[in-house]
Amino acid sequence: NAGVTQTPKFRVLKTGQSMTLLCAQDMNHEYMYWYRQDPGMGLRLIHYSVGEGTTAKGEVPDGYNVSRLKKQNFLLGLESAAPSQTSVYFCASSYASGPTLSEQFFGPGTRLTVL
Amino acid sequence: SQELEQSPQSLIVQEGKNLTINCTSSKTLYGLYWYKQKYGEGLIFLMMLQKGGEEKSHEKITAKLDEKKQQSSLHITASQPSHAGIYLCGADIRSSGSARQLTFGSGTQLTVLP
Repeated sequence: NAGVTQTPKFRVLKTGQSMTLLCAQDMNHEYMYWYRQDPGMGLRLIHYSVGEGTTAKGEVPDGYNVSRLKKQNFLLGLESAAPSQTSVYFCASSYASGPTLSEQFFGPGTRLTVL
Repeated sequence: SQELEQSPQSLIVQEGKNLTINCTSSKTLYGLYWYKQKYGEGLIFLMMLQKGGEEKSHEKITAKLDEKKQQSSLHITASQPSHAGIYLCGADIRSSGSARQLTFGSGTQLTVLP
């Protein structure tokens, strides 16, 4: 199993450009998440999905859009990149067992710089 | 997240020393998850605690959940350079219904000097 994979690993954008980050998981997990990690601020949830075709906003959703057309994929889009979106982006997935949330499995991250 | 406070923010210890990292929630903890991150890499799951008083150990790392204090501690015995990294706690502090997401602390940067 590859687990959770993310593409690309690195990207440099100019202000105003758009891009899509791809996350894929092969564990048949229902839940998928996008986080950003900034120095001193830990992980902050951008958007998440509890199943194919569903998405929900997290703590910091502004400037991002997501789609979950297939269960195994979760896409994060930046329509008009801003320097404030320079960060490391992590994707994660998990399953739920009744009311309990399983541990989240993380991808290796995408390091994005917006100039 | 201000809902989840980790302390200390950074820690430098000599190899062989014991250390403790704390994670305190301002809300009821339904589950507490500890992760380790090496620089430039993703997060590796360490342990999950769900019940008050629960304690789990893996090799030289022990985690406890104090439900009354809404706090968890991660203790490393006889630290080694391989323990170095960022330790993050994630908490299920759901406001209603079933759990859907975790809230993470800001992390503790651990350096172990040989």
